[in-house]
Amino acid sequence: DAKTTQPPSMDCAEGRAANLPCNHSTISGNEYVYWYRQIHSQGPQYIIHGLKNNETNEMASLIITEDRKSSTLILPHATLRDTAVYYCIVRVEGETSGSRLTFGEGTQLTVNP
Amino acid sequence: NAGVMQNPRHLVRRRGQEARLRCSPMKGHSHVYWYRQLPEEGLKFMVYLQKENIIDESGMPKERFSAEFPKEGPSILRIQQVVRGDSAAYFCASSPRVAGREQYFGPGTRLTVT
Repeated sequence: DAKTTQPPSMDCAEGRAANLPCNHSTISGNEYVYWYRQIHSQGPQYIIHGLKNNETNEMASLIITEDRKSSTLILPHATLRDTAVYYCIVRVEGETSGSRLTFGEGTQLTVNP
Repeated sequence: NAGVMQNPRHLVRRRGQEARLRCSPMKGHSHVYWYRQLPEEGLKFMVYLQKENIIDESGMPKERFSAEFPKEGPSILRIQQVVRGDSAAYFCASSPRVAGREQYFGPGTRLTVT
């Protein structure tokens, strides 16, 4: 799986958009970009994933650059409950080796009142 | 729709004892994954199972650890002769499809070895 690079920490004001960047310059054509988050001591939570097109769901938006070497997770209106470690993961689908999630260090997002 | 269930939530074992961690996947999910999170460290993949089959155990320690997912009942992660270094949070995830896109995680079992 391609390696990802994320800033170790970010701060965001409550109610503002949180933009979390991720670099994955060695991503392959068949690798998807996934985002998960882990709120303190809880199990990780799936947020969103995409291949090349931008994606949006009820939780967040995912913007993938045209060359796919980086992406940004956007939480449009951050709340205090969004304080968590956010993980950007790239993985292949459809193969046994693609089943696992390889978690890096992630970004600690702190939403401030 | 119940999520992934794990029990016990907290488990205390003395060195040398056995630990059995249970995971009930979401309804309709036949793929189970186990991850371990050591204190102050990231999540590490351990094993991927389908019903009655171990698909990928490349992340499992070679000794003392085993996992199963029987035809009936929960998936079990078994740790024999626990040592202090096994103290960690163990998370189970499930997905409905092969190499499922989304993995849904349980709340974890926190194992403490005294």
